[in-house]
Amino acid sequence: QQQVKQSPQSLIVQKGGISIINCAYENTAFDYFPWYQQFPGKGPALLIAIRPDVSEKKEGRFTISFNKSAKQFSLHIMDSQPGDSATYFCAAGRNNNDMRFGAGTRLTVKP
Amino acid sequence: KAGVTQTPRYLIKTRGQQVTLSCSPISGHRSVSWYQQTPGQGLQFLFEYFSETQRNKGNFPGRFSGRQFSNSRSEMNVSTLELGDSALYLCASSTGPSHDYGYTFGSGTRLTVV
Repeated sequence: QQQVKQSPQSLIVQKGGISIINCAYENTAFDYFPWYQQFPGKGPALLIAIRPDVSEKKEGRFTISFNKSAKQFSLHIMDSQPGDSATYFCAAGRNNNDMRFGAGTRLTVKP
Repeated sequence: KAGVTQTPRYLIKTRGQQVTLSCSPISGHRSVSWYQQTPGQGLQFLFEYFSETQRNKGNFPGRFSGRQFSNSRSEMNVSTLELGDSALYLCASSTGPSHDYGYTFGSGTRLTVV
């Protein structure tokens, strides 16, 4: 069932540091790779997404790096802040449906 | 516009009972997907509906079923509840198969089976 593998399970970063979360997928038919952020008591919220025709996408402090040949993609959070402390999920989907999620990474940013 | 609404927010049921969860998608969204979230397992895909038709189904037993109505609202049902069914059940809506990607999640229904 787990078509998207995510690591690490948990991550602790100092304020101002860089948080890096990695994901790998199996199905080459996937054409959409989003990252979701989830706070306790809330559903996941779309953070940033990329399609396989580009290798990098940046939105503010968040960057997705995508390696199509390796079937891997990662989320970089620059200048990490305590407010970024949350659980992050990578996902992969095909034609805007059938979205499969990684197991999640619990990020803690220490002040 | 209003987000994805899931009801109820919390539910406590006894083993062997059945339960029905409801999801109202964003207005105009025709696709609804259901996920089960448990600690350590992430989001496990249950099923996806588009225009009242089930398009995809995850690897869950037949006790888990769902449907979608003509107004795009969706329900999922779990029969003969087991302790392991305790989880947060999330519903996500989207416009459907198109170039306008993106899922919007509701806050979920927390199901506890005792």
